[in-house]
Amino acid sequence: GAGVSQTPSNKVTEKGKYVELRCDPISGHTALYWYRQSLGQGPEFLIYFQGTGAADDSGLPNDRFFAVRPEGSVSTLKIQRTERGDSAVYLCASSIQGQGYEQYFGPGTRLTVT
Amino acid sequence: GQQVMQIPQYQHVQEGEDFTTYCNSSTTLSNIQWYKQRPGGHPVFLIQLVKSGEVKKQKRLTFQFGEAKKNSSLHITATQTTDVGTYFCAFDRGSTLGRLYFGRGTQLTVWP
Repeated sequence: GAGVSQTPSNKVTEKGKYVELRCDPISGHTALYWYRQSLGQGPEFLIYFQGTGAADDSGLPNDRFFAVRPEGSVSTLKIQRTERGDSAVYLCASSIQGQGYEQYFGPGTRLTVT
Repeated sequence: GQQVMQIPQYQHVQEGEDFTTYCNSSTTLSNIQWYKQRPGGHPVFLIQLVKSGEVKKQKRLTFQFGEAKKNSSLHITATQTTDVGTYFCAFDRGSTLGRLYFGRGTQLTVWP
């Protein structure tokens, strides 16, 4: 079956611009996670959705970052006024439920802010 | 805050040699998960350990969870070039709905 998909695979933007990153989880998975991974580091948690609601957004670095999941399936991560420090690979993962279940990761979106 | 340390950060082995990576925490973990990330790829789930002293095997891979649930290890017997990648341990805090805290990973290179 289809895994987690993310679009775009690569995004280059100028400092100060707005970007949206999309995640399409595995069908039927209620839990959806966003992580950010910098080179040589493990994934760093950003936000977790259970259904349509953000159950834990404590990993969002500041108010320039926002994410939605309006229908409990596709999610969009939105970054306003991008900064060079936002450059990273943004990973989306889904799991059938929340805690204690394996997470299936998408291929990621590589964001480069110039 | 709670975190895990992974050692070594890098490991280079000749094909056929064994490999072990360690994950250590200063506090008791409710569970530990292991993921593998190939170069240019995304993390792929390998296993989850939840019980004290638990040992699980997947072909040439052996996973252990310490008796005190503060450390874990992944051992690969007779490495192959297909084992190349970065191995991450990760844990959740049980009450935090699945948020995973990842270690920094061990990057394994296998020379043919």
